[in-house]
Amino acid sequence: GESVGLHLPTLSVQEGDNSIINCAYSNSASDYFIWYKQESGKGPQFIIDIRSNMDKRQGQRVTVLLNKTVKHLSLQIAATQPGDSAVYFCAESFTGGATNKLIFGTGTLLAVQP
Amino acid sequence: AAGVIQSPRHLIKEKRETATLKCYPIPRHDTVYWYQQGPGQDPQFLISFYEKMQSDKGSIPDRFSAQQFSDYHSELNMSSLELGDSALYFCASSSGHRSKEQYFGPGTRLTVT
Repeated sequence: GESVGLHLPTLSVQEGDNSIINCAYSNSASDYFIWYKQESGKGPQFIIDIRSNMDKRQGQRVTVLLNKTVKHLSLQIAATQPGDSAVYFCAESFTGGATNKLIFGTGTLLAVQP
Repeated sequence: AAGVIQSPRHLIKEKRETATLKCYPIPRHDTVYWYQQGPGQDPQFLISFYEKMQSDKGSIPDRFSAQQFSDYHSELNMSSLELGDSALYFCASSSGHRSKEQYFGPGTRLTVT
């Protein structure tokens, strides 16, 4: 992933609103995509994943959309809660390689206002 | 459920010193990945191991080396530390090198002064 230094894109939402976090991935050969949530001082926590043969996948309060044409991924969080405040990363992987190393995209800081 | 364990959680070293970070994967996981995350940056893949053999290599400096042991734990050895090595170092484990899901540890925060 490309680094943006110390300035993370920030999304500020009101509690109860829906959040949409976007991500552009780089490798057209990537066939597996994951969204991670990272709270301050902690490791990335798996939220939801999607394979390249799908364009939408839903979880509990979260939905991931994949647009392979423009290499774009989005994470939708319904009824955003204060506990959702964190940095969110998308990651891509090519499962046909030697390993499934993850290439992370630029994180987005989600700030939920009560 | 058991998670990935990393030690130490915090480490302060001076320039030109050496550091060793340890990672204990989830039981029965045979694949370990190391990532480096600088302040405000996304995690960058360093190196991975499967069944005690190096399986992939990313942007890992030559000053760093790593290995996976017979009990599947892994150690990242860092020498001639530089200020720019200050970062969070994450280990992730998975079951099989083709497994899609990686489980991350809490990280080791390395500060080089």
